[in-house]
Amino acid sequence: KAGVTQTPRYLIKTRGQQVTLSCSPISGHRSVSWYQQTPGQGLQFLFEYFSETQRNKGNFPGRFSGRQFSNSRSEMNVSTLELGDSALYLCASRLAGPGYEQYFGPGTRLTVT
Amino acid sequence: DAKTTQPPSMDCAEGRAANLPCNHSTISGNEYVYWYRQIHSQGPQYIIHGLKNNETNEMASLIITEDRKSSTLILPHATLRDTAVYYCIVMASGGSNYKLTFGKGTLLTVNP
Repeated sequence: KAGVTQTPRYLIKTRGQQVTLSCSPISGHRSVSWYQQTPGQGLQFLFEYFSETQRNKGNFPGRFSGRQFSNSRSEMNVSTLELGDSALYLCASRLAGPGYEQYFGPGTRLTVT
Repeated sequence: DAKTTQPPSMDCAEGRAANLPCNHSTISGNEYVYWYRQIHSQGPQYIIHGLKNNETNEMASLIITEDRKSSTLILPHATLRDTAVYYCIVMASGGSNYKLTFGKGTLLTVNP
């Protein structure tokens, strides 16, 4: 079974621009979560989507948004990029329900200049 | 507040067992112990989880003490590819809230 895929793997953007990252979960997984990872802050939860609905949200500004499609694929958008948004953005999928582990993709390395 | 305490680093010889400890003295009755690892610049990888019984899968074994205040992840035959940061996490397994929070973890270095 194919793992979680994320595109693009690397991205360089300029301050003020916006960016859209894509995530395809493992087949059959209906929950997709997004995380931001930086050396200083570690792994931080952005949001979780389940059946096209945002179910949980972390403490990030409204510039960070996401959505999930009917095939469970998910996109994350960051508008008005800031230098501090440079990070590894990780997507994780899991089966619905309690007790299931999360499977992470390789991440998208975003650099904002 | 950190829910788990792990040593910052450990070394292990290739082919030997790696035993990674984790203290979670404030664990609640409904909280599981999860282990993930992250190889440099890659996405985290789920390893194993357990509630109170010892668990084993193709990657590792998880030994949880009877009082559940600590656990040990065992990689039976460490290889160079097991060099990674290992994270021990406690979390309730249920409901709709399933966000992961990693602490500092343990950097395991497997030496040839």
